[in-house]
Amino acid sequence: SAVISQKPSRDICQRGTSLTIQCQVDSQVTMMFWYRQQPGQSLTLIATANQGSEATYESGFVIDKFPISRPNLTFSTLTVSNMSPEDSSIYLCSYPRAPTETQYFGPGTRLLVL
Amino acid sequence: RKEVEQDPGPFNVPEGATVAFNCTYSNSASQSFFWYRQDCRKEPKLLMSVYSSGNEDGRFTAQLNRASQYISLLIRDSKLSDSATYLCVVMPGGYNKLIFGAGTRLAVHP
Repeated sequence: SAVISQKPSRDICQRGTSLTIQCQVDSQVTMMFWYRQQPGQSLTLIATANQGSEATYESGFVIDKFPISRPNLTFSTLTVSNMSPEDSSIYLCSYPRAPTETQYFGPGTRLLVL
Repeated sequence: RKEVEQDPGPFNVPEGATVAFNCTYSNSASQSFFWYRQDCRKEPKLLMSVYSSGNEDGRFTAQLNRASQYISLLIRDSKLSDSATYLCVVMPGGYNKLIFGAGTRLAVHP
């Protein structure tokens, strides 16, 4: 399977600022996903990052808050905008090896908003 | 009702014990099922897929009951290294979207 990395691995940010998280896969993948894992909770899908088109957002998540880019088949970014302490979470990207297969996750970005 | 429900645990078991985790899902049209393992402060990693006929991988056995919308994971001869959170994951169908359960914590002690 492809190697998937994320940057930064962690950050501490002030409320009202924005942070862009990068996700890099070392081979071309059709689909990439962004998840959030709040403290003590399981993973919740934020959006599907589609190459060449706008991301598809899940209920409760909007583009203005979580803009996503997918400029090519190996890279995606997620921006957490106008952050508040409630945005403190682990943000993970993932990809499936094939359209009907399950997903493999990056190491995550730990975000703390003060 | 949550789409995927699990007993949060924790399950505290001695080494060598057999432990079973259960999971129920609400969408009867769900297509695929998985167990992931998540260690503390790490990303989830695929443990095994779950097939209708049941499947085994070493000490781990997964079962699926579509009629009851129920998935199980059995761990035999528990090791200290099995201590982790086990996530029940359902793919409703279509385009790879995954629905995660809240996870069941397992702590194996000497």
